[in-house]
Amino acid sequence: QVQLVQSGAEVKKPGASVKVSCKASGYTFTSYGISWVRQAPGQGLEWMGWISAYNGNTNYAQKLQGRVTMTTDTSTSTAYMELRSLRSDDTAVYYCAVVGNWFDPWGQGTLVTVSS
Amino acid sequence: QSALTQPASVSGSPGQSITISCTGTSSDVGGYNYVSWYQQHPGKAPKLMIYEVSNRPSGVSNRFSGSKSGNTASLTISGLQAEDEADYYCSSYTSSSTPWVFGGGTKLTVL
Repeated sequence: QVQLVQSGAEVKKPGASVKVSCKASGYTFTSYGISWVRQAPGQGLEWMGWISAYNGNTNYAQKLQGRVTMTTDTSTSTAYMELRSLRSDDTAVYYCAVVGNWFDPWGQGTLVTVSS
Repeated sequence: QSALTQPASVSGSPGQSITISCTGTSSDVGGYNYVSWYQQHPGKAPKLMIYEVSNRPSGVSNRFSGSKSGNTASLTISGLQAEDEADYYCSSYTSSSTPWVFGGGTKLTVL
């Protein structure tokens, strides 16, 4: 079955960077894109960006432009999301999801806590 | 890009039906049939319940249905069950520079 497995929880200091991985299985990785979505504590879902696993094209949410980079490694069917210059309001659960015209399935989520 | 507008909360008794609305604009909900709905239980990842306005993925109960009229999409849950208590989010493709947008979420309480 199609499955996305994400890396474990991270604790970072303000100003640091974090890189979250998302390993895909059960389908041809390059046939679909991967989106990243985050959810701050008690808040709703926020779309962060998208990467084509076919050619690496990306599209990032305007508010994160310049701080986020999404990449893929087709040899291991893994997507990565790096967020730099972390702030306290970046504390959230970060999800990856396979995306065509909808998001399915989703990874289990990675909690990133930004605290001094 | 503003979030799509959903009611903050809805409630219903077991066996009843409820409807959650998702209002956007002609640039998103009204312009495309790429509206999807997600169920999220506390501490869990979202789960796709409806895609392309009204299609149910395999394994999703037929108690869940979706529709759209103009710039507003709707999710209806019939025969409410205790296990339906969760947060529900809509999403739509958009013509803006950021291609997808989510609603703010609706907390469903089964009384």
